[in-house]
Amino acid sequence: AQSVTQLGSHVSVSEGALVLLRCNYSSSVPPYLFWYVQYPNQGLQLLLKYTTGATLVKGINGFEAEFKKSETSFHLTKPSAHMSDAAEYFCAVSESGGSNYKLTFGKGTLLTVNP
Amino acid sequence: GAVVSQHPSWVICKSGTSVKIECRSLDFQATTMFWYRQFPKQSLMLMATSNEGSKATYEQGVEKDKFLINHASLTLSTLTVTSAHPEDSSFYICSARQGGDTIYFGEGSWLTVV
Repeated sequence: AQSVTQLGSHVSVSEGALVLLRCNYSSSVPPYLFWYVQYPNQGLQLLLKYTTGATLVKGINGFEAEFKKSETSFHLTKPSAHMSDAAEYFCAVSESGGSNYKLTFGKGTLLTVNP
Repeated sequence: GAVVSQHPSWVICKSGTSVKIECRSLDFQATTMFWYRQFPKQSLMLMATSNEGSKATYEQGVEKDKFLINHASLTLSTLTVTSAHPEDSSFYICSARQGGDTIYFGEGSWLTVV
């Protein structure tokens, strides 16, 4: 079984400030980890993913995340927030090597960016 | 353009009627498609996994007879909500697996049952 916990349902930052969205996971096997972004009334867009290899993963729009096995974490960061980053962010996990790649999502974190 | 397209984006139907939502992979063949449901301000809940040419695999608690899934071709999966009721109103999102761990999501479909 696998699960995802996103700490903080709502994060508010100022434009230009650091963005940190927290994600902890639970998985009985080595996980694949994902961050998705959802803009209002739209589907999900993949920001980045970790499967194997380098634990620091860089994604689109300046986001990056680091897989820390010892902490079972995959926090999402961006050095400088932009107004266009305001959206809902979902962390997800799937079992590596799983035959169907089912994703289990966290409850999401709404990011607001203040001018 | 979108890699995975859902249609319709918005639909309103009367209680007791059925409504079909389509999910198409536009430029790749998807052997596996997934259907999710998302309530306002909540996460995505996987409803079922749809494999081309075989029966869908439903998650625990999802009514198979109410949410009919058909994956007739490698580029099309459909979700039919039968005898819809107001509590079925939700945002339905599909995703399609291109290969390996590459999965693309559709834009979602808003269903309102009145």
